[in-house]
Amino acid sequence: NAGVTQTPKFRILKIGQSMTLQCTQDMNHNYMYWYRQDPGMGLKLIYYSVGAGITDKGEVPNGYNVSRSTTEDFPLRLELAAPSQTSVYFCASRVRDRADTQYFGPGTRLTVL
Amino acid sequence: RKEVEQDPGPFNVPEGATVAFNCTYSNSASQSFFWYRQDCRKEPKLLMSVYSSGNEDGRFTAQLNRASQYISLLIRDSKLSDSATYLCVVLNDYKLSFGAGTTVTVRA
Repeated sequence: NAGVTQTPKFRILKIGQSMTLQCTQDMNHNYMYWYRQDPGMGLKLIYYSVGAGITDKGEVPNGYNVSRSTTEDFPLRLELAAPSQTSVYFCASRVRDRADTQYFGPGTRLTVL
Repeated sequence: RKEVEQDPGPFNVPEGATVAFNCTYSNSASQSFFWYRQDCRKEPKLLMSVYSSGNEDGRFTAQLNRASQYISLLIRDSKLSDSATYLCVVLNDYKLSFGAGTTVTVRA
């Protein structure tokens, strides 16, 4: 299994540009999440999904959109990039086992200039 | 009040030392608790779950105090490879809430 994969690894955007951060998991997990992590801060939940076709807002959803058309994919869309969206973005999926483990992708480092 | 609060550290300890730190959580209905480890600029990885009775995993011991709403992590016989940021994580319904992390540096 590849686990959780994210693309791209790095990206620089200009203010007002749009982009989609891709996230794919091959573990057949129902739960998927998008977080952002600013320097020296904890992870903040942007959006999450409990299954294909179901998404919900997290703590900091403004400026982002998501979709979940398949179990495997959970892309995050930035419509009008702003400098405040400069951050590291992590996608994760979760399995409901005894450990309730959440598996993270390697992250996308985004800079908005 | 933040959902999960941690002492940011840093804790700077020599090899072989014992280091311990806590975190507190605000939601008394929280269901599950975890410690994650995050190396510099990498993704978080599960270190261990925290059970009500306390649990050990090798040199790591985790404790949960539901009455006082805090979780602790103790690392015995510290190794250089233990240098990392340790994230306290709490599960509420479908969502995990993360502390900002406690940085531990183990020196030779």
